[in-house]
Amino acid sequence: GAVVSQHPSWVICKSGTSVKIECRSLDFQATTMFWYRQFPKQSLMLMATSNEGSKATYEQGVEKDKFLINHASLTLSTLTVTSAHPEDSSFYICSARREADNEQFFGPGTRLTVL
Amino acid sequence: QQPVQSPQAVILREGEDAVINCSSSKALYSVHWYRQKHGEAPVFLMILLKGGEQKGHDKISASFNEKKQQSSLYLTASQLSYSGTYFCGTAGGATNKLIFGTGTLLAVQP
Repeated sequence: GAVVSQHPSWVICKSGTSVKIECRSLDFQATTMFWYRQFPKQSLMLMATSNEGSKATYEQGVEKDKFLINHASLTLSTLTVTSAHPEDSSFYICSARREADNEQFFGPGTRLTVL
Repeated sequence: QQPVQSPQAVILREGEDAVINCSSSKALYSVHWYRQKHGEAPVFLMILLKGGEQKGHDKISASFNEKKQQSSLYLTASQLSYSGTYFCGTAGGATNKLIFGTGTLLAVQP
């Protein structure tokens, strides 16, 4: 199956700092990638759709100036959490959609803890 | 809007069967099923497309009723490894983005 990687696996940072999370599709090209956030014991909530070469599409209630998304190539999307605060602590998961069969492949997730 | 799953949680003995339902208020193009273990990313189980499709692998199967905007996941003769949280993901609309359901926690006991 197709592989999607995320880096880092976990990060602990101080309140007010910015954190960048990378999502890579390793063996296929992905025009579209997605970013999800999951709080404990809750479902995955879609934050934004990342489109290669164009601006990301954010879901209602997600601050685009706080969660910066860049999709500069067909295999890489990045999510930057700017001025992170403790309430941003969560499990961030990306997925990449394979165009051939519309299947989405998920990265292993990044656990962000903001102190 | 987020699809609603039922039941919210279920406890089984090894070898018992279970059904997990997923219901959407919007028209669907496809339904995806995932299983997530604690602290891990979701793992893809299967995708169902329009047209009353049914699909299965090993002892896990699923059906998709597009008219009712519902899908069901069937777990037969459950194994300990089936434990986890199951999510349906529904896709529709112009962007075909995947929206996850509320989740069903499944615990299989020896």
